[in-house]
Amino acid sequence: GQNIDQPTEMTATEGAIVQINCTYQTSGFNGLFWYQQHAGEAPTFLSYNVLDGLEEKGRFSSFLSRSKGYSYLLLKELQMKDSASYLCAVLLRSNDYKLSFGAGTTVTVRA
Amino acid sequence: IAGITQAPTSQILAAGRRMTLRCTQDMRHNAMYWYRQDLGLGLRLIHYSNTAGTTGKGEVPDGYSVSRANTDDFPLTLASAVPSQTSVYFCASSDGSTTGGLTDTQYFGPGTRLTVL
Repeated sequence: GQNIDQPTEMTATEGAIVQINCTYQTSGFNGLFWYQQHAGEAPTFLSYNVLDGLEEKGRFSSFLSRSKGYSYLLLKELQMKDSASYLCAVLLRSNDYKLSFGAGTTVTVRA
Repeated sequence: IAGITQAPTSQILAAGRRMTLRCTQDMRHNAMYWYRQDLGLGLRLIHYSNTAGTTGKGEVPDGYSVSRANTDDFPLTLASAVPSQTSVYFCASSDGSTTGGLTDTQYFGPGTRLTVL
């Protein structure tokens, strides 16, 4: 089966930086997505990595190392509105392409 | 309509009853998906459809059925609801699931909170 691990909870201070790690052991890897989900709302797309390295998009960056089965999402200059769950999802290919999600990391930003 | 919609927003259902959760998208996406989200378990795929007229089983399909008569609609049916089906259900769609990559970015509906008593 697929194994995707990320921490359950993280807490950080407004203005700080937080790094959310995701490790995976899967077969048929075809890229990794990060989604943001505010409480009671739908997940929304943040980033996609398929090649090794860092992808930067404003305050958010995502990193991938395929050889290590490892990704992280970096949130800089934290704002209160960044309090949410962050979902790591691996794109897998068998007969077709499907996403397999980790359980999510709940980030709480404190003033 | 813009994006993907689900109905109802929430529902309380007696065990043994039949229930259909509705999902409609207006993005002309080929692929559609149904997930359930439970605390500590994350999103788990129930059923999916790569294109109108085809469906497939996901990770947790038992007790659920789907149909895809056209591009826009993808209803999920619980034939005889049980308390373990209490969950938040999300429908999602993507441009395609046969090419891989960014076209597999999934866009989610607002969810249906279902309680089975």
